[in-house]
Amino acid sequence: EAEVAQSPRYKITEKSQAVAFWCDPISGHATLYWYRQILGQGPELLVQFQDESVVDDSQLPKDRFSAERLKGVDSTLKIQPAELGDSAMYLCASSPPGLVDTQYFGPGTRLTVL
Amino acid sequence: SQQGEEDPQALSIQEGENATMNCSYKTSINNLQWYRQNSGRGLVHLILIRSNEREKHSGRLRVTLDTSKKSSSLLITASRAADTASYFCATDAGNQGGKLIFGQGTELSVKP
Repeated sequence: EAEVAQSPRYKITEKSQAVAFWCDPISGHATLYWYRQILGQGPELLVQFQDESVVDDSQLPKDRFSAERLKGVDSTLKIQPAELGDSAMYLCASSPPGLVDTQYFGPGTRLTVL
Repeated sequence: SQQGEEDPQALSIQEGENATMNCSYKTSINNLQWYRQNSGRGLVHLILIRSNEREKHSGRLRVTLDTSKKSSSLLITASRAADTASYFCATDAGNQGGKLIFGQGTELSVKP
């Protein structure tokens, strides 16, 4: 069964450093989402792509976060510089065309900022 | 900001018992979904109920939706130790673009 792939699974970094996370959605899924999940809370959407275009990035802290999906397939989320409060799980999800109701999540990247 | 409140925040039961989790939300919706998350892992979609539906079943799962009260419940019958996980409700907040707004989650522990 096809799955959303994310790497790395775990990342430890020091504050002020740059970090990047990678996501490969299920093949053919046009919609891709990045969520941030702080421990003990539900996921919160950071950015949504439709193919290579950003549909919603209203909750993305644009002074330090950036996201791209250049060819409309895989995507990278970057944080520069990382801050202590960025410690969280970063989840990627994708939806098939015309079925945005259901999202398929990857295993996530656990970020710890020291 | 998060859409909903989930109740209880944590629930501990014995294997074989039923588990009920509740979710309340604030805005009108097109649908409401429930997801499960094992510790440190991604979310798995369990069930979706549309705003014109009142009840839906899937295996040992039963979901109800009361749009007049802006609330939903998830019932897991005959629970198993493997059901131990966090359960989240998510709404689309009435938009068509797929954006989901999640609740805080209920942490379920099923003791063998």
